[in-house]
Amino acid sequence: GAVVSQHPSWVICKSGTSVKIECRSLDFQATTMFWYRQFPKQSLMLMATSNEGSKATYEQGVEKDKFLINHASLTLSTLTVTSAHPEDSSFYICSARGGRVVNEQFFGPGTRLTVL
Amino acid sequence: KQEVTQIPAALSVPEGENLVLNCSFTDSAIYNLQWFRQDPGKGLTSLLLIQSSQREQTSGRLNASLDKSSGRSTLYIAASQPGDSATYLCAVNSGGGADGLTFGKGTHLIIQP
Repeated sequence: GAVVSQHPSWVICKSGTSVKIECRSLDFQATTMFWYRQFPKQSLMLMATSNEGSKATYEQGVEKDKFLINHASLTLSTLTVTSAHPEDSSFYICSARGGRVVNEQFFGPGTRLTVL
Repeated sequence: KQEVTQIPAALSVPEGENLVLNCSFTDSAIYNLQWFRQDPGKGLTSLLLIQSSQREQTSGRLNASLDKSSGRSTLYIAASQPGDSATYLCAVNSGGGADGLTFGKGTHLIIQP
């Protein structure tokens, strides 16, 4: 139980294009989902928190107009990187809170984004 | 602002040794602490979750302890194996269900066959 999937697992795009990443909780309802970013040889940094049916809360320094987050259902959240640039190349990982253990987060396998 | 530090940054030991990874955090007001494993280019595998009211958790050869008042946690790996080679991340939840986790930079562990 408590499985989280992400799609795609990797994506390569040209500079200036937009990329959408999906995060799904497969066997539980996730009232809260989180998006993290991990640069090479760095740890994970929280980008934003999204609750189903409401606007996402962004961490300081994260541009909300560049990283659009939609949490339309209890099992799906999407992150859209708009007008991507090479400096946006990173490993994006989502997590979902739910299931049997209070406050435990379950992580997806991550999406590797490379912007040329 | 919560800060998480992991020591050592890297560790290489022969197979079979017992080892300890350290994690410290600056704000002791946490809800829980999690240890994760991350293989190169992969996502996170949750190893152990310790709630703030608990002192330790065990799973197989892994034992994690938590001393909330001093802001420390340790991950003990018994009888290490080459398959244990990975980066181990410590993360704290300071805000309950509404907040994300604050991660340390990890300990890169290599177990020599």
